[in-house]
Amino acid sequence: GESVGLHLPTLSVQEGDNSIINCAYSNSASDYFIWYKQESGKGPQFIIDIRSNMDKRQGQRVTVLLNKTVKHLSLQIAATQPGDSAVYFCAENQNDYKLSFGAGTTVTVRA
Amino acid sequence: EPEVTQTPSHQVTQMGQEVILRCVPISNHLYFYWYRQILGQKVEFLVSFYNNEISEKSEIFDDQFSVERPDGSNFTLKIRSTKLEDSAMYFCASSETGRSYNEQFFGPGTRLTVL
Repeated sequence: GESVGLHLPTLSVQEGDNSIINCAYSNSASDYFIWYKQESGKGPQFIIDIRSNMDKRQGQRVTVLLNKTVKHLSLQIAATQPGDSAVYFCAENQNDYKLSFGAGTTVTVRA
Repeated sequence: EPEVTQTPSHQVTQMGQEVILRCVPISNHLYFYWYRQILGQKVEFLVSFYNNEISEKSEIFDDQFSVERPDGSNFTLKIRSTKLEDSAMYFCASSETGRSYNEQFFGPGTRLTVL
């Protein structure tokens, strides 16, 4: 069964505002999490990852937070831009070969 | 920047026909994967491949599916007798390492339409 899911299927955000995308997972054995961005007609594009021994990791304009107590993962995008419009997936790895993806959140940036 | 490439970008076939989807993984990567995404749904794992062997496969990857690395650069997915429900985007991915912390890089996908 599925172990990774997202709280909201869509998110509309004003350009320049911060975005927060949430993801819940159920497998406490998962030790690696990735956020992917998928633009229309393209494959998933790596954004940022985090290992289970961390609770926060920052990249360029993006931050991933991991709360293992409640099995929750979030992606924060600072100063959201039109180019950030896409579907965002969280994915988890359970020390095996596959990634298990969540259902995706569609982010639409309003000008 | 190295990237995973896939051909064709779109494949249309009749039900019952065989199709071969092709991928060229990133050159120094050793682990290869196929995923599929039915329209509007999430990405689903099909199979992983390492050292000329399948290392893991999902329940979707039944006897109608096979993978091959015919030479040093290509990685293929064959569907022997396509069904309508095989219509989906098929993504190839590759990674340097296998288990744990294996950042997988995805190709642009092949859209398979079965009529």
